Amino acid sequence: KAGVTQTPRYLIKTRGQQVTLSCSPISGHRSVSWYQQTPGQGLQFLFEYFSETQRNKGNFPGRFSGRQFSNSRSEMNVSTLELGDSALYLCASSLEASGYEQYFGPGTRLTVT
Amino acid sequence: AQSVSQHNHHVILSEAASLELGCNYSYGGTVNLFWYVQYPGQHLQLLLKYFSGDPLVKGIKGFEAEFIKSKFSFNLRKPSVQWSDTAEYFCAVNLPWNYGGSQGNLIFGKGTKLSVKP
Repeated sequence: KAGVTQTPRYLIKTRGQQVTLSCSPISGHRSVSWYQQTPGQGLQFLFEYFSETQRNKGNFPGRFSGRQFSNSRSEMNVSTLELGDSALYLCASSLEASGYEQYFGPGTRLTVT
Repeated sequence: AQSVSQHNHHVILSEAASLELGCNYSYGGTVNLFWYVQYPGQHLQLLLKYFSGDPLVKGIKGFEAEFIKSKFSFNLRKPSVQWSDTAEYFCAVNLPWNYGGSQGNLIFGKGTKLSVKP
């Protein structure tokens, strides 16, 4: 079974631009969660989607948004990029919404200059 | 807010030494517990998990963890580490599905970097 895939793997953007990251979960998994990983803050939860509905949202500004499609694929969007948005963005999928282990993708390394 | 504490930021061991990484969480109800590992340049992988039953759980690559409910702890152990165990280790707590907090349902500790000297 193929694992979680994320595209693109690396991205360099300029302050003020916007970016869209994509995540394809493991086949059959209905829940997708997004995390931001930085050396200083560790793993911080962004949001979780289950059956196209956002279930939880982390303490990030409204510039961070996401969605999930009917095939469980998910995208996250960051508008008006800031230097502090430079991070590794991880997507994780799980079979159901909670109580199940999450499987992580390789991440998208976003650099904002 | 709920939290997961990993006591050591960076641990340095020689090969064959024993390993114990501490993890404590704050949530008072029923939880599921996980240890994840991130090898250099690789993605996060599940090392082991505890849902219920025997509080001593065994994972991949010789790792085990013990859940002590009274201490809100889930410490990771390995009797003899190898150079290939060099990685960052994350403890995580899965809260109930209806918790609905802004932290999400899976809360991670800050991670412990393990360096094993050959």
